[in-house]
Amino acid sequence: DAKTTQPPSMDCAEGRAANLPCNHSTISGNEYVYWYRQIHSQGPQYIIHGLKNNETNEMASLIITEDRKSSTLILPHATLRDTAVYYCIVRVGSGGSNYKLTFGKGTLLTVNP
Amino acid sequence: DTEVTQTPKHLVMGMTNKKSLKCEQHMGHRAMYWYKQKAKKPPELMFVYSYEKLSINESVPSRFSPECPNSSLLNLHLHALQPEDSALYLCASSQASPWGKETQYFGPGTRLLVL
Repeated sequence: DAKTTQPPSMDCAEGRAANLPCNHSTISGNEYVYWYRQIHSQGPQYIIHGLKNNETNEMASLIITEDRKSSTLILPHATLRDTAVYYCIVRVGSGGSNYKLTFGKGTLLTVNP
Repeated sequence: DTEVTQTPKHLVMGMTNKKSLKCEQHMGHRAMYWYKQKAKKPPELMFVYSYEKLSINESVPSRFSPECPNSSLLNLHLHALQPEDSALYLCASSQASPWGKETQYFGPGTRLLVL
C-alpha cells in the first residue's frame, strides 16, 4: 500500500473549517483514500473514503487532487468534540493485503474554544 | 447502525491468568478483525476472520487465541500474557470479504493491563 504523510498536529478554532492534508504521492490507480479518526482512548471511527472524485457525507468532505497525489479532509464547522487523531489511509480496492488497514501516525487535530 | 460492542471495557490480569475479550456485532457483517494498539502508537492488525474462519494471523504469539463461535461474535482468549501485552484491543467488522473494499467499523476497545 502507498505510504501517506500527514502533519503531526494542527489547531483549529471552534466553528471554523478544519482542513487536514494528506500526501500520498505513490498511490496506485486502484487504491482508495480512507479517513478515520480516533478520539482519545476510543476505537477508530470511519469518516469517509474516495477513489478519484470528491466525496461528501454528513461528517466531512474529501477533496482529492486530480493527480491523486494528495487529498484534504474538510470538517466544515469544527466543534470541541472533533478533537482527535485523524488518520489518512491508502488501501487497495481488492485483493493483496487490503484486508489490513495500515495506520500511520496521523494528525492530532485540536479544536480550541 | 454501525455498532460494534466490546466487553469488558477494562481488564487487569496477572501473567498466570486466563481471560477472554468479547466482541459482538449485529450488522450481518461476515468479516471480523482484532487489532492491537499500544500507547501512543497506531492500531496494528492481529487476526482476520472471514465467514467464521480464521483467514489471517499476523504472526501473533500463541498466548493470544482467537475464536469465532458464530457470525456475530468474536472472542480473543488470553493466557500467560506478558506486561508488554498491555494495550488497547480493538475489534472491527466489515460487511463481506476482507479482500473487498468494504469499510471496517471499529468497537470502542478493551483496555488491558497485564501485571
